Amino acid sequence: GESVGLHLPTLSVQEGDNSIINCAYSNSASDYFIWYKQESGKGPQFIIDIRSNMDKRQGQRVTVLLNKTVKHLSLQIAATQPGDSAVYFCAENISRGSTLGRLYFGRGTQLTVWP
Amino acid sequence: ETGVTQSPTHLIKTRGQQVTLRCSSQSGHNTVSWYQQALGQGPQFIFQYYREEENGRGNFPPRFSGLQFPNYSSELNVNALELDDSALYLCASRESYNTEAFFGQGTRLTVV
Repeated sequence: GESVGLHLPTLSVQEGDNSIINCAYSNSASDYFIWYKQESGKGPQFIIDIRSNMDKRQGQRVTVLLNKTVKHLSLQIAATQPGDSAVYFCAENISRGSTLGRLYFGRGTQLTVWP
Repeated sequence: ETGVTQSPTHLIKTRGQQVTLRCSSQSGHNTVSWYQQALGQGPQFIFQYYREEENGRGNFPPRFSGLQFPNYSSELNVNALELDDSALYLCASRESYNTEAFFGQGTRLTVV
């Protein structure tokens, strides 16, 4: 079954505010994590990734934090824009064993940005 | 644009029929995975191919099968279609099993 879950199914923010999307995982063997953005009718779009030997990684307007102690992942979006409105998924990956390379996705969080 | 292309984009089939979905992976990517995404859910792993061999399978019955070709493009075949097979089918390609996976736009399959 799915081991990746999300704390909130929906998140509404005002344009210009920062957004934080959370994700919990249960498999301690997961060693690689990816955040995806999915707009309606499209495939998931890669946003940012992080490996288990890191606890923070920054991209353009996005930051991913990994807390392995409590098996928690978060995506922070700075200065959220209307174009950020989408469903966001975290996915975990195990780079060894019988589940090598398969991504486990949670249900997703719907982010809505209000003007 | 990811460079991963899927065809067709939409498809309607009748229960009991067979369907073939196609995926062209991004240049240089030898690993292709297929996912099923039901409405309102996250993608579920179907199987993965690496250099033309299946090297991982999710909890899907044998009527879901696949192929990967020497140019790393791939097919997903589903036999004896059921109504519950209606979903968005996604193909993802990656350089290796532990690098970022890039998804195509998906094929929306409707079984009636």
